[in-house]
Amino acid sequence: DAGVIQSPRHEVTEMGQEVTLRCKPISGHNSLFWYRQTMMRGLELLIYFNNNVPIDDSGMPEDRFSAKMPNASFSTLKIQPSEPRDSAVYFCASSFQRQDEKLFFGSGTQLSVL
Amino acid sequence: GENVEQHPSTLSVQEGDSAVIKCTYSDSASNYFPWYKQELGKRPQLIIDIRSNVGEKKDQRIAVTLNKTAKHFSLHITETQPEDSAVYFCAASPSPGAGGTSYGKLTFGQGTILTVHP
Repeated sequence: DAGVIQSPRHEVTEMGQEVTLRCKPISGHNSLFWYRQTMMRGLELLIYFNNNVPIDDSGMPEDRFSAKMPNASFSTLKIQPSEPRDSAVYFCASSFQRQDEKLFFGSGTQLSVL
Repeated sequence: GENVEQHPSTLSVQEGDSAVIKCTYSDSASNYFPWYKQELGKRPQLIIDIRSNVGEKKDQRIAVTLNKTAKHFSLHITETQPEDSAVYFCAASPSPGAGGTSYGKLTFGQGTILTVHP
């Protein structure tokens, strides 16, 4: 298996632009998580899905952030409009709930909002 | 919500020495405690995990201990090597409950930068 696949690896955009991050979880995993990593706040959970259904979005910082999971093999995290303080590494991760539950991370998207 | 404190923030050791990183958590409902290693510019990678029904787990040079009463857990790396140099994160998660909650809902510590000098 190729692991969790994220795209793009790097994104540079200007303030006010829409940003869409993409994720393909490990095949067979039924839980998907979006985490954000910054120097100031560390690794923090934004939202997670179980069987394509959003379970907990309490970590989503503002209404500018939204996430979808239209099917078991694809998820997006959208920021509209983007702001410089959104600059961070965004990680997608997946696990198989009710099995060993181990969480595996993708390579991340380095987002820079100028 | 859960709060995880991790110490020290930086740790420097000589090759061959042992390294210990400690974490405390606040939520008594937490019962899954993984440790991740993150190299510069890379993804966090799971290196070991422990659930609350055991007090210790070992995998070659890495071991984790858990004290649920005191709400703390520790990572022990023996015979350190330069390739062990990385940032290490502890994390805690509550038991999955009704409605599809998951062990993947992790609260992370702030990380420890481990440097192993040859």
